[in-house]
Amino acid sequence: DAGITQSPRHKVTETGTPVTLRCHQTENHRYMYWYRQDPGHGLRLIHYSYGVKDTDKGEVSDGYSVSRSKTEDFLLTLESATSSQTSVYFCAISESSRDSLGYTFGSGTRLTVV
Amino acid sequence: EDKVVQSPLSLVVHEGDTVTLNCSYEVTNFRSLLWYKQEKKAPTFLFMLTSSGIEKKSGRLSSILDKKELFSILNITATQTGDSAIYLCAVGKAGGTSYGKLTFGQGTILTVHP
Repeated sequence: DAGITQSPRHKVTETGTPVTLRCHQTENHRYMYWYRQDPGHGLRLIHYSYGVKDTDKGEVSDGYSVSRSKTEDFLLTLESATSSQTSVYFCAISESSRDSLGYTFGSGTRLTVV
Repeated sequence: EDKVVQSPLSLVVHEGDTVTLNCSYEVTNFRSLLWYKQEKKAPTFLFMLTSSGIEKKSGRLSSILDKKELFSILNITATQTGDSAIYLCAVGKAGGTSYGKLTFGQGTILTVHP
């Protein structure tokens, strides 16, 4: 979607390797989120950020870490990838904590851990 | 624990049919309920509802919220093949450390046959 890009779009990696996914926004929004989407589970929150260097855990944060050193970039790292982390990962941004505008989502990263 | 449950999980109809998708929720400090449509890539925003009993409409789609009974419905009339998608319901919370986080349901997969 315009204003938010995720990279890479697809990745295949081996079990035990570290992986970093990148979310980049040009909207200057304060809030950024990482979700994973799996069949039967909808979207589940991994981590979120409410400002530069300000992050917190979501409901499925085990095995993931994040960093936000600049407003525009939010990185998600799988410290040691496992097959259970095979999923589609979505980044989202919102303008404020008042979710009146909803989220804008990136196009997703399909990650396969073999 | 916050919970958002959608039903049915999947639905197959023919063009011209009317469908009703359901979303029930149990969350503390409810603020808003949002509907998204997801085709091949990122979810796109449809509606946000905050007030009970007020219908939101956009073309053939409409949605209403019942805050007393804790549910929402999304209606699609005169369905078209282009309506085939996953429909996601999400709930946002008010105040505290919510930071605009949304809790999503599992999604309803709608398939519309010609």
